[in-house]
Amino acid sequence: EPEVTQTPSHQVTQMGQEVILRCVPISNHLYFYWYRQILGQKVEFLVSFYNNEISEKSEIFDDQFSVERPDGSNFTLKIRSTKLEDSAMYFCASKRTDNTGELFFGEGSRLTVL
Amino acid sequence: GDSVTQMEGPVTLSEEAFLTINCTYTATGYPSLFWYVQYPGEGLQLLLKATKADDKGSNKGFEATYRKETTSFHLEKGSVQVSDSAVYFCALREGGGADGLTFGKGTHLIIQP
Repeated sequence: EPEVTQTPSHQVTQMGQEVILRCVPISNHLYFYWYRQILGQKVEFLVSFYNNEISEKSEIFDDQFSVERPDGSNFTLKIRSTKLEDSAMYFCASKRTDNTGELFFGEGSRLTVL
Repeated sequence: GDSVTQMEGPVTLSEEAFLTINCTYTATGYPSLFWYVQYPGEGLQLLLKATKADDKGSNKGFEATYRKETTSFHLEKGSVQVSDSAVYFCALREGGGADGLTFGKGTHLIIQP
């Protein structure tokens, strides 16, 4: 069964460092997302991406964050200068069709900022 | 803004017990409602959904009914199994073309044999 895959599963980094989290969505999907969950808190929407551009983003998704689909298969989330409060589980998701389509999530990438 | 509130966990039950996980929401429009499940070591998976008032979503023995009058979408199962142990997330998506999901904190369910 096709699935969304994310790497790394866990990354530890120093505050101020750049981090790139990678996702390979399901191959025929057109809509891509990043969510995050800070430990003990809600899963929060960060950004959605369609047709090679951001279609929606939350207040959390500030200038420190960027997304890219560099090669038609990977979908990356970059955090330019990590802060302690960026420590969270980051989930990638994709879906094939518009609003009625089912969202498929990856297992998540845990980011720990020291 | 939109929000989802679900009961705090962990919820511990014995096998074959009846399960209810409460979920209430606040939304300005007419949202679609979802339950997602996360089994250990896996990503979130859609369990069931309902897109309008009084709709009942069901899957794998789980059910939830969209109650607009009480702004609720409680998850129920008549007889739980050990394999149902997971984290369950209630979520909504606003109507009107909005794309992002608003999730609750998740409820950790533990089923003991």
